[in-house]
Amino acid sequence: KAGVTQTPRYLIKTRGQQVTLSCSPISGHRSVSWYQQTPGQGLQFLFEYFSETQRNKGNFPGRFSGRQFSNSRSEMNVSTLELGDSALYLCASSFGTDYNEQFFGPGTRLTVL
Amino acid sequence: DAKTTQPPSMDCAEGRAANLPCNHSTISGNEYVYWYRQIHSQGPQYIIHGLKNNETNEMASLIITEDRKSSTLILPHATLRDTAVYYCIVAVAGYNFNKFYFGSGTKLNVKP
Repeated sequence: KAGVTQTPRYLIKTRGQQVTLSCSPISGHRSVSWYQQTPGQGLQFLFEYFSETQRNKGNFPGRFSGRQFSNSRSEMNVSTLELGDSALYLCASSFGTDYNEQFFGPGTRLTVL
Repeated sequence: DAKTTQPPSMDCAEGRAANLPCNHSTISGNEYVYWYRQIHSQGPQYIIHGLKNNETNEMASLIITEDRKSSTLILPHATLRDTAVYYCIVAVAGYNFNKFYFGSGTKLNVKP
């Protein structure tokens, strides 16, 4: 079956702009989690959506938001971009119940100039 | 915050077993130990997980100490393609299950 897909794969924005990233989970998966990866901070959890509801949230400012649609596809939005938002953004999908592994997508590389 | 401690790097000769340690001394009774790896900026890949019993699958074995305060991931016959950053994660059961805290991981260098 198809894996987790993320679009776009690469993105260049300037400070102050906003950006929307998309994640399509594996068919049948209801949970989508988002992570930010930077060289300095490593992989950090942003938030998780399950059945269109945000179920868990990490320690990121309100500029980072997300949503999930009825088909489990998810988007994350970053408003008022800062240079420090340059990162690899990864999403992961799972069935969302205990003991299930998460499957990660290839990520979206965001560069803020 | 990550609740695990791993050595920053390890070397292993191709064809030999790679043993990657992880310390999780504050693990709770309902927390599982998960291992993922990431190959050069690709998305992390699931390897194995366990609660308290040793586990084995086609990729690796997971040995968890009796007190559950540490574990070891074993790649029985490392190949060059196993060169990656390996993350040990503790994940609580329940609705917070997918809230993974990744530490710094161990960079495994498999050498010919």
